[in-house]
Amino acid sequence: SQTIHQWPATLVQPVGSPLSLECTVEGTSNPNLYWYRQAAGRGLQLLFYSVGIGQISSEVPQNLSASRPQDRQFILSSKKLLLSDSGFYLCAWSPGPLGYTFGSGTRLTVV
Amino acid sequence: DQQVKQNSPSLSVQEGRISILNCDYTNSMFDYFLWYKKYPAEGPTFLISISSIKDKNEDGRFTVFLNKSAKHLSLHIVPSQPGDSAVYFCAASSGDGGSQGNLIFGKGTKLSVKP
Repeated sequence: SQTIHQWPATLVQPVGSPLSLECTVEGTSNPNLYWYRQAAGRGLQLLFYSVGIGQISSEVPQNLSASRPQDRQFILSSKKLLLSDSGFYLCAWSPGPLGYTFGSGTRLTVV
Repeated sequence: DQQVKQNSPSLSVQEGRISILNCDYTNSMFDYFLWYKKYPAEGPTFLISISSIKDKNEDGRFTVFLNKSAKHLSLHIVPSQPGDSAVYFCAASSGDGGSQGNLIFGKGTKLSVKP
């Protein structure tokens, strides 16, 4: 069966520090992978999606970047965090165009 | 511009009664709609979906209605239970392949079911 792992579950980071959130998928190959952010009053905002290794599309220009070094690994990064980067980050995968399975999320607080 | 709108940020319902969550969309290319349920500190989980070729889909206590002419869909939960208390997200997809079928989400509606 397919599973999605996301870590860490919670993170408190000072402003200006780097960030690395990791997401891995098991039990499938060549999934479409997504990073979403849920910020207060903003719903689920698509940040990045990837259809294959090294292929990253950015939906919202911002302080973050994403990478897909392996087929089932998706990484969200920042060189210098801003206060506005606080939120709940969700990784998701999809075998095709319909429906996602989400990871358990990472609560990031930038202080 | 928001393509998927959930205009009610919160809804409170008594246990056993019906919960109706509404969602409006602006993009006429959307042809697949989904509802996700999210508990605090957890990822959203898929609840129910509907294709634009249908106007109703039912799964147990959950029914989704689609009115294409009004670009409106709603999720009905009958009877509502305290365990249904969560944030519900409406999502839509155009499935045109160009955007890889990316889902566009609404801002969510927080449902509280009181015993």
